Amino acid sequence: EDKVVQSPLSLVVHEGDTVTLNCSYEVTNFRSLLWYKQEKKAPTFLFMLTSSGIEKKSGRLSSILDKKELFSILNITATQTGDSAVYLCACSKTSYDKVIFGPGTSLSVIP
Amino acid sequence: DSGVTQTPKHLITATGQRVTLRCSPRSGDLSVYWYQQSLDQGLQFLIQYYNGEERAKGNILERFSAQQFPDLHSELNLSSLELGDSALYFCASSLYPTGLASSGNTIYFGEGSWLTVV
Repeated sequence: EDKVVQSPLSLVVHEGDTVTLNCSYEVTNFRSLLWYKQEKKAPTFLFMLTSSGIEKKSGRLSSILDKKELFSILNITATQTGDSAVYLCACSKTSYDKVIFGPGTSLSVIP
Repeated sequence: DSGVTQTPKHLITATGQRVTLRCSPRSGDLSVYWYQQSLDQGLQFLIQYYNGEERAKGNILERFSAQQFPDLHSELNLSSLELGDSALYFCASSLYPTGLASSGNTIYFGEGSWLTVV
């Protein structure tokens, strides 16, 4: 059975700290790994990773995928209170066109 | 604003009833996805349509059904509602079905429909 595991499930940090969120997966016919940020309702897209070892960056956020070890990390540097959200990791498959989501990591950034 | 429109935003209904949730995908997107998010289960994939046809099925109950119409909007029908069906139901859309697209394919989410069953 396909599964996506995220750790930690919950995280509280102070502004300015750097955080690393982890995502590991066991997905047959893996195609790509996706990161989303969910603040109140709708998840917003952050990154799509399909190739191993290539870092994607957007401002203070960066992510990388290791297809050999089946995991990805999402780094957030110099965290701000606006980074407080649930971060969702998901995997898409080649054959069934289905996106499997992990449980999410709840990040709280306190002043 | 993702461009994905869901209605209604909130609804409260009694057990045993039936409701219909409606989704308009982003302009040009052919693929529509439905997800259920409850407090204890995270975001669960229900079903996906591509250009009017069912593409993939996830953890969708038999009491639930969906369809995508020729104008590409989609409806999720929930019947014989139970208390446990209370959740936030998301619709999402993308140009291509996931898995067949280039790396540029992105899934965009609507703001969700809050369903409370009492």
